[in-house]
Amino acid sequence: AQSVSQHNHHVILSEAASLELGCNYSYGGTVNLFWYVQYPGQHLQLLLKYFSGDPLVKGIKGFEAEFIKSKFSFNLRKPSVQWSDTAEYFCAVNGGNTGKLIFGQGTTLQVKP
Amino acid sequence: NAGVMQNPRHLVRRRGQEARLRCSPMKGHSHVYWYRQLPEEGLKFMVYLQKENIIDESGMPKERFSAEFPKEGPSILRIQQVVRGDSAAYFCASSRQGAESSGNTIYFGEGSWLTVV
Repeated sequence: AQSVSQHNHHVILSEAASLELGCNYSYGGTVNLFWYVQYPGQHLQLLLKYFSGDPLVKGIKGFEAEFIKSKFSFNLRKPSVQWSDTAEYFCAVNGGNTGKLIFGQGTTLQVKP
Repeated sequence: NAGVMQNPRHLVRRRGQEARLRCSPMKGHSHVYWYRQLPEEGLKFMVYLQKENIIDESGMPKERFSAEFPKEGPSILRIQQVVRGDSAAYFCASSRQGAESSGNTIYFGEGSWLTVV
């Protein structure tokens, strides 16, 4: 069965600090990988996705993620966070031929001004 | 182009009542998914539907929960005889196709918050 694990449940950073959120998945076949962000009181928005090709994926708002197949990881990074990045971040995996996503438990990021 | 529309945004029900949550997918999307987010937890897949068909309901509780996506009108998630443990945010999502491929993305609605008192 597919599963996704996000190691950091709550991260607190100061503005301009660098960010890395861990995500590991378990699935035996080809996977598609996603990071979603949920700002307070809002719906989930897609930050970036990986289907194939270059394992370093660039998304919106300066975020990027690297797919490392050998480690079953898809960590999210941002060189310099802003206060407006305060939100909850979800890693998700989709395997097979349906749109069914398996989500990690989420990481709450709090950026202090 | 309107996004995925869910209503109501907030719903309060007493134990034993029925809750109906509606979802209108994005224009041109024929695949609908329902997810549930319990407090302090991530989103859990519930059900995947196409028009008039349930494709995957592996995440649906065996009792009291049902979903439909009729030929006309929105998708409905129905919870009968609600209990306090049903209190959660229910998110609907839609996609143009079922198979994820480059350019085919799942879009989420703003969610419906169900509170059972």
